[in-house]
Amino acid sequence: EPEVTQTPSHQVTQMGQEVILRCVPISNHLYFYWYRQILGQKVEFLVSFYNNEISEKSEIFDDQFSVERPDGSNFTLKIRSTKLEDSAMYFCASRKPGTGVAGANVLTFGAGSRLTVL
Amino acid sequence: ELKVEQNPLFLSMQEGKNYTIYCNYSTTSDRLYWYRQDPGKSLESLFVLLSNGAVKQEGRLMASLDTKARLSTLHITAAVHDLSATYFCAVVMNYGGSQGNLIFGKGTKLSVKP
Repeated sequence: EPEVTQTPSHQVTQMGQEVILRCVPISNHLYFYWYRQILGQKVEFLVSFYNNEISEKSEIFDDQFSVERPDGSNFTLKIRSTKLEDSAMYFCASRKPGTGVAGANVLTFGAGSRLTVL
Repeated sequence: ELKVEQNPLFLSMQEGKNYTIYCNYSTTSDRLYWYRQDPGKSLESLFVLLSNGAVKQEGRLMASLDTKARLSTLHITAAVHDLSATYFCAVVMNYGGSQGNLIFGKGTKLSVKP
């Protein structure tokens, strides 16, 4: 079954360092997302991406964050200068195009990248 | 602001028992999702509920949606240990956009004991 692949699975970084989290969405999916989950808390929407541009972003997604689809397969989340509170599990998700059909709107999530900021 | 409230947040059940998890949301939506998350793992889609009165069942889990009450339920029948996980409900935030901006509840951590 097709899956969303994320790397690295775990990254430890020093506060102030830049981090890039990588995702390979499912190949025929056109909508891409990043969510985060702080340990023990709920999953929070960060950003959605379609047609090579951001379509929606949350208040969490400030100027320290950016996303990019540098080629036909990768989708990256960059945190420019990490803070302690950026420590979380970051999930990439993707979905097929189309609306109004039950299966088309279901997001497939990757296994996550755990970021620890020291 | 769309808010999604789940209760209970923690649920310890005995095998063979039935229980219901509740999910309330604050603004109009006719699209609700249930996901399962095992410890340290990703989110697995369980159900998509698209209309008022929708009911879906998969094994020992049954989900329903009442859009007028802004309430969804996830009913567990005759629980087994394999159902131990955290269950999240989520509602779509924005119809006009990508329709994938999910607002999640805090999750219900279910523990099924023999």
